[in-house]
Amino acid sequence: DGGITQSPKYLFRKEGQNVTLSCEQNLNHDAMYWYRQDPGQGLRLIYYSQIVNDFQKGDIAEGYSVSREKKESFPLTVTSAQKNPTAFYLCASGLAGPNEKLFFGSGTQLSVL
Amino acid sequence: AQSVTQLDSQVPVFEEAPVELRCNYSSSVSVYLFWYVQYPNQGLQLLLKYLSGSTLVKGINGFEAEFNKSQTSFHLRKPSVHISDTAEYFCAVSDLRNTPLVFGKGTRLSVIA
Repeated sequence: DGGITQSPKYLFRKEGQNVTLSCEQNLNHDAMYWYRQDPGQGLRLIYYSQIVNDFQKGDIAEGYSVSREKKESFPLTVTSAQKNPTAFYLCASGLAGPNEKLFFGSGTQLSVL
Repeated sequence: AQSVTQLDSQVPVFEEAPVELRCNYSSSVSVYLFWYVQYPNQGLQLLLKYLSGSTLVKGINGFEAEFNKSQTSFHLRKPSVHISDTAEYFCAVSDLRNTPLVFGKGTRLSVIA
C-alpha cells in the first residue's frame, strides 16, 4: 500500500539529547514537509523540501535540522537547542504544485523526560 | 504573505443538527483554499479544496464549502452532523506559487448525542 510512515509513534527526549524522527513515503512525491502541532496553535511549518538534496526553513526552524538524501525519506532531528520540544510532529508529502493535496503521516508525539 | 483565521476554536453541536465552521483568509494575490480534518492522534486528511470555477465545493463525508472572494471567506458546512464527525478541522491557503500551505489554528468540532 502506498503511504507515508512516521516512526516512532511516541518518543522521549532527555535533557541535552538530540533525537531523530523518521518520515518515509512511497508515493513518489517530490515535496515533503515537517509541521509541529501544539494545542490551540494549529500547524506550524518547520522545514520543507521540494527536491532531493535541497530544503528550506519554515517559520520555526530554530533548534531543528533535516536532510533529504533520498526522495523517499525526510528525517527531522530535534536538537538540544530546541528548548521546548514537547509537541506532536507531523510529516507530509505531496506532488509539486500549490494546488496539490498533502498526504500526512500519523504523527510522532515527542515528550521531554 | 497569506494568512488564515479560523474564528471559532471550539464548536459543540447536537447530532443531526447543521454546522458551519468559519474561515477567513488574507492574501494580496489569488489563492487556493483547502479544508483538512484530523481525527484524534492521527494525521490530517483532505476534505475538499477550491481551485477555481464554481464557488460551492463539495467534499467527502457530506461536507461542502463556499468561496466568497468579496468577504475573503471559505466557510465549511454540513447540513446534518454525526457523532463520527467529531474531530479537528483546519482551513489552509496557498498563494498559487510553489510555497507551502499556511494553516489556520483549527476548530474542534464536538458532536453531542
